[in-house]
Amino acid sequence: DAGVTQSPTHLIKTRGQHVTLRCSPISGHKSVSWYQQVLGQGPQFIFQYYEKEERGRGNFPDRFSARQFPNYSSELNVNALLLGDSALYLCASSPSRAGPYEQYFGPGTRLTVT
Amino acid sequence: AQKVTQAQTEISVVEKEDVTLDCVYETRDTTYYLFWYKQPPSGELVFLIRRNSFDEQNEISGRYSWNFQKSTSSFNFTITASQVVDSAVYFCALSDLSSGSARQLTFGSGTQLTVLP
Repeated sequence: DAGVTQSPTHLIKTRGQHVTLRCSPISGHKSVSWYQQVLGQGPQFIFQYYEKEERGRGNFPDRFSARQFPNYSSELNVNALLLGDSALYLCASSPSRAGPYEQYFGPGTRLTVT
Repeated sequence: AQKVTQAQTEISVVEKEDVTLDCVYETRDTTYYLFWYKQPPSGELVFLIRRNSFDEQNEISGRYSWNFQKSTSSFNFTITASQVVDSAVYFCALSDLSSGSARQLTFGSGTQLTVLP
């Protein structure tokens, strides 16, 4: 079975622009979470979506938004990009929104803001 | 609030040596889950193990073993007879009930392990 896929792999944007990142979960997984990983740090939780509803949000500004589609794929949107948004954005899927299910991560999208 | 501390930023060993990666966590919940992930240079986080707070038995999987001690809030990871392919950043993570309905993972800052041939 295919793992979590993310697109694009790399992206370069300019300050003030908008970006959309995409994620397809493992088949059968209904929960998608987004994490931001700044160079040299551990991933930080941004959002969790389950059954197309937001189930959790980390400490990120309103410039960050996301949504989940009927096929359980997800988009992460970031408006008014700042230099500090440069990071690896990781998507993770799991079968359920809760419980002891481990999350499976995709390869990430590396965003560079200049 | 939950917190995960990995005090070792970088560790370098010679192939075939044993190495232990330390992880200390903080949580107010009695029910929680602990994880270890491996992040090779490619960037993708690879799941290694999950433990729940009610199971303190140590676990061994091949060359990997994990020591969970609630008394010291630690969940340490040992690689026996390390190999060059073990070189990666290793993250310890915690999931508890404080995040409400979301089972978000709180990660430590990671330990960069380099295994030299």
